[in-house]
Amino acid sequence: DAGITQSPRHKVTETGTPVTLRCHQTENHRYMYWYRQDPGHGLRLIHYSYGVKDTDKGEVSDGYSVSRSKTEDFLLTLESATSSQTSVYFCAITQREDYNEQFFGPGTRLTVL
Amino acid sequence: AQRVTQPEKLLSVFKGAPVELKCNYSYSGSPELFWYVQYSRQRLQLLLRHISRESIKGFTADLNKGETSFHLKKPFAQEEDSAMYYCALGPSGGYNKLIFGAGTRLAVHP
Repeated sequence: DAGITQSPRHKVTETGTPVTLRCHQTENHRYMYWYRQDPGHGLRLIHYSYGVKDTDKGEVSDGYSVSRSKTEDFLLTLESATSSQTSVYFCAITQREDYNEQFFGPGTRLTVL
Repeated sequence: AQRVTQPEKLLSVFKGAPVELKCNYSYSGSPELFWYVQYSRQRLQLLLRHISRESIKGFTADLNKGETSFHLKKPFAQEEDSAMYYCALGPSGGYNKLIFGAGTRLAVHP
């Protein structure tokens, strides 16, 4: 599992509340990614990080922010959750910078009521 | 634009039948293609990478640059192959980013 964990694994929240999802890795990898998984859309990149404090937007970044203050943790924040952000969120890493293969965390199922 | 197309949302076959999950891509340059599999409510895991040219769990995939395709094939499907399959394309704009297709659900019936 490449040492990747996500927390929480499940969350139900209400519209308008802030939510933070955590991705934790134990192997000191530089590149980390947040995706959302939705039927009919596959996986879409939200944000990614290429080092501590180095982050950038992906394909569907509106309504999301990220932070990476330590190598091992990549946080995804929904500032004010909306029902359209109900999804399964996956974190991923790459183990080598010259190698595109990504390894995924177990996912977080988020429901926004 | 870089894009991955998986035209089938659902592929339903009987055990022992051949399987082909289609993947077409759009990319200018030298692509890297991957197949990921997700069993029920589990994390995605790499099934195949075109560079390695391996056969994993009986699955194979050949990169056809002329047809811009990377179809996944297995001659005899098993019930345990039932899962969601995603084709992915990289690199996309640096930092090892990947573009994923919408996925195909394979259902293998007894």
